Amino acid sequence: SQQGEEDPQALSIQEGENATMNCSYKTSINNLQWYRQNSGRGLVHLILIRSNEREKHSGRLRVTLDTSKKSSSLLITASRAADTASYFCATDAGRNNDMRFGAGTRLTVKP
Amino acid sequence: DSGVTQTPKHLITATGQRVTLRCSPRSGDLSVYWYQQSLDQGLQFLIQYYNGEERAKGNILERFSAQQFPDLHSELNLSSLELGDSALYFCASSVGVRADTIYFGEGSWLTVV
Repeated sequence: SQQGEEDPQALSIQEGENATMNCSYKTSINNLQWYRQNSGRGLVHLILIRSNEREKHSGRLRVTLDTSKKSSSLLITASRAADTASYFCATDAGRNNDMRFGAGTRLTVKP
Repeated sequence: DSGVTQTPKHLITATGQRVTLRCSPRSGDLSVYWYQQSLDQGLQFLIQYYNGEERAKGNILERFSAQQFPDLHSELNLSSLELGDSALYFCASSVGVRADTIYFGEGSWLTVV
């Protein structure tokens, strides 16, 4: 079963705009990660945030985590056409690190 | 390139048949994970192996089985295939049994006709 749910399911923006994607999860976590998937390709790890962290940055990416609300957000600033992809959140909720993924947000950045 | 190698990249087979998907993890990674991605089910965790032993089990059907060999490569066996088994099957690997990052292969496209 999936642990996380991304919102929105699809997002379309213009190049240069910011994109915000949200993830909600159900059970307590050790960490939460965001991955990116270009169409039909493997997933690529973007960023990890631990349960005791509230915010993390990596280049144009900003991730926040609110464990009280069991939610996270991924912000991509100054988006580019090359950011067009699906973005997934994943949680390490179990003792065995069986990472569970949400359904993903499909981001389209128009040039 | 993640360093995780999956073969075959594409596979077309008939219902009722059996196929084997192969995965070579990144050098030094001891954990291997299998995921199934389909349009209606999203990305589903199937099973994890660590250093040859099964560590976690997800939504893996009884018709499916996996193993990890002493050289750490893994195989996912899918039998009595049904149309609904058509999906993209990913293998991923990580260093330890609990790792912060898992690295995905490019997947094996399975089409059951």
